[in-house]
Amino acid sequence: QSALTQPASVSGSPGQSITISCTGTSSDVGGYDYVSWYQQHPGKAPKLMIYDVNNRPSGVSNRFSGSKSGNTASLTISGLLAEDEADYYCSSYRSSRTWVFGGGTKLTVL
Amino acid sequence: QLQLQESGPRLVKPSETLSLTCTVSGGSVNSDNYYWGWVRQPPGKRLEWIGYADYSGSTYYNPSLESRVTISVDTSKNQFSLKVSSVTAADTAVYYCARHEGNTSLFDPWGQGTLVTVSS
Repeated sequence: QSALTQPASVSGSPGQSITISCTGTSSDVGGYDYVSWYQQHPGKAPKLMIYDVNNRPSGVSNRFSGSKSGNTASLTISGLLAEDEADYYCSSYRSSRTWVFGGGTKLTVL
Repeated sequence: QLQLQESGPRLVKPSETLSLTCTVSGGSVNSDNYYWGWVRQPPGKRLEWIGYADYSGSTYYNPSLESRVTISVDTSKNQFSLKVSSVTAADTAVYYCARHEGNTSLFDPWGQGTLVTVSS
């Protein structure tokens, strides 16, 4: 099962904004509004940050936002903080009640 | 607050069956519109969705693993389980259990994860 495509790494300075892309196909990202984003710190379980493209769970900072255009979804983090340094994974529904994750992006806060 | 906790053997021999259990506290597996599933992550690699099941016994699996995977829900114990047969070193990973809410892309909460190593 092929993964969604994410950049291997992105970086930004404190206070800046960064965007992480997640590219799939019309059979997953482009075909459904069922995209979610997870933050994972080393040795920890993933934490849900965005679901259904652009919805934030209770307790997640409004510095995190999501969007989608065609077959590409995006996660934007504004006002970068040192604590945002982590791996980020996107996930999408892919027909027949199956799900696929992206390859992951390592965010470095300079 | 719903919490999930994985348990099971940390070392499995090649060709044998990997078995894990996820115990649910603070809520019930006997809930409509929720699915109880598993995600794994080989060391240093990406997350991989394994599959999920609901309390009625409906199951959905990753096509690449479907022939070797069984997920079941035990409402009497408020647990759900994962079995992966004929394991190889490629099945070495941290295994996470997680709840999925139907009609959304929401996988939350997650268990803390447990590392299972396949080695003789």
